[in-house]
Amino acid sequence: DAGVTQSPTHLIKTRGQHVTLRCSPISGHKSVSWYQQVLGQGPQFIFQYYEKEERGRGNFPDRFSARQFPNYSSELNVNALLLGDSALYLCASSLALGSTYGYTFGSGTRLTVV
Amino acid sequence: KNEVEQSPQNLTAQEGEFITINCSYSVGISALHWLQQHPGGGIVSLFMLSSGKKKHGRLIATINIQEKHSSLHITASHPRDSAVYICAVLEYGNKLVFGAGTILRVKS
Repeated sequence: DAGVTQSPTHLIKTRGQHVTLRCSPISGHKSVSWYQQVLGQGPQFIFQYYEKEERGRGNFPDRFSARQFPNYSSELNVNALLLGDSALYLCASSLALGSTYGYTFGSGTRLTVV
Repeated sequence: KNEVEQSPQNLTAQEGEFITINCSYSVGISALHWLQQHPGGGIVSLFMLSSGKKKHGRLIATINIQEKHSSLHITASHPRDSAVYICAVLEYGNKLVFGAGTILRVKS
């Protein structure tokens, strides 16, 4: 059974461009969450989706948006890229919301903005 | 002050040593996670705790809800344990808040 898959693994973009990152959860998992990890720091929560609805949002500007599709995969979109958006973007999936369910993380997408 | 504080930030140990990493948090939580991150970024979930103690192989995790504190212990440490260990708390509202991580290096 495949784990959480993220694509692409690496990406280089120019300031001002737009980027779309993709995440496929473990089969049967209905919740997907996104995190940004800047070098040397712990991950920061961006979004959580469950059953295609946004269920949580971190302290990120409106340039960041996401959605979850009927097959529970998810996309994270970032508009008007800034140098400071360079980071590892992690996706995690869980069966559902709540403390009963653990998280499985993907390997991340490393975004470099130049 | 960060909601999740880890100590130490960096830890170097000799192979075979007993290692303890600490995590303190300041908010109400429904669960606490210990995660391992290797160079390259992939994160592996080690434990999810809401009370008491869990053990898996050479790893032990404990949590004291009243004191808002958790510890991760590694017995008989090995160079392959070298990684970043991250504590993350699940706040009510399903938001995961992460500590900054502890960089562990085990020398042979």
